[in-house]
Amino acid sequence: QVQLVQSGAEVKKPGASVKVSCKASGYTFTSYGISWVRQAPGQGLEWMGWISAYNGNTNYAQKLQGRVTMTTDTSTSTAYMELRSLRSDDTAVYYCARDRKVVAGTGDPYYFDYWGQGTLVTVSS
Amino acid sequence: SYELTQPPSVSVSPGQTARITCSGDALPKQYAYWYQQKPGQAPVLVIYKDSERPSGIPERFSGSSSGTTVTLTISGVQAEDEADYYCQSADSSGTSYVVFGGGTKLTVL
Repeated sequence: QVQLVQSGAEVKKPGASVKVSCKASGYTFTSYGISWVRQAPGQGLEWMGWISAYNGNTNYAQKLQGRVTMTTDTSTSTAYMELRSLRSDDTAVYYCARDRKVVAGTGDPYYFDYWGQGTLVTVSS
Repeated sequence: SYELTQPPSVSVSPGQTARITCSGDALPKQYAYWYQQKPGQAPVLVIYKDSERPSGIPERFSGSSSGTTVTLTISGVQAEDEADYYCQSADSSGTSYVVFGGGTKLTVL
């Protein structure tokens, strides 16, 4: 069965960086993309960006350009999301999700059929 | 920036039909997707490509599209359907980014 297992909760100080991992199993990792979605306490879902597990192409949300980097390690079927220069409003649950968009530049739509369990990142001084 | 608009809340009694709408200018050109999120849990895909239902999702969940509005319909609502529901789509510009609606809290009375 498809599973996405994320790393544990993090507490960071403002200005620091955080790197969250997402280990996939139960499917061919390189046949899908991975998107990252976050949810601030009591708020809605916010898409952060997408990475192709096939070729590493990325597409980041404009709001996070320059602060976020998404990578994959196909040898371990693991995706990573690093967010830098953390602020208090980055406090959120961060989810990885399997994305049906495999490569950029095609008509494949972005949508998310399996999700990780979420990782709480708290930014506080 | 592109936005999808949902009502903040919808309330229905058990056994009735719940309809949750999502409006956006690009919806005639882009598919919509619906996710159910219960407290403390990750979202679950319940409708994809406007009206398709993933395996394992009950038949009482259906989706439809008309112009700039898409609708999630839950027929014969059950207490377990109480949750937040989010629509998702993409903008129709060349940059291609994902957008979520603000979410609708479905309350089963």
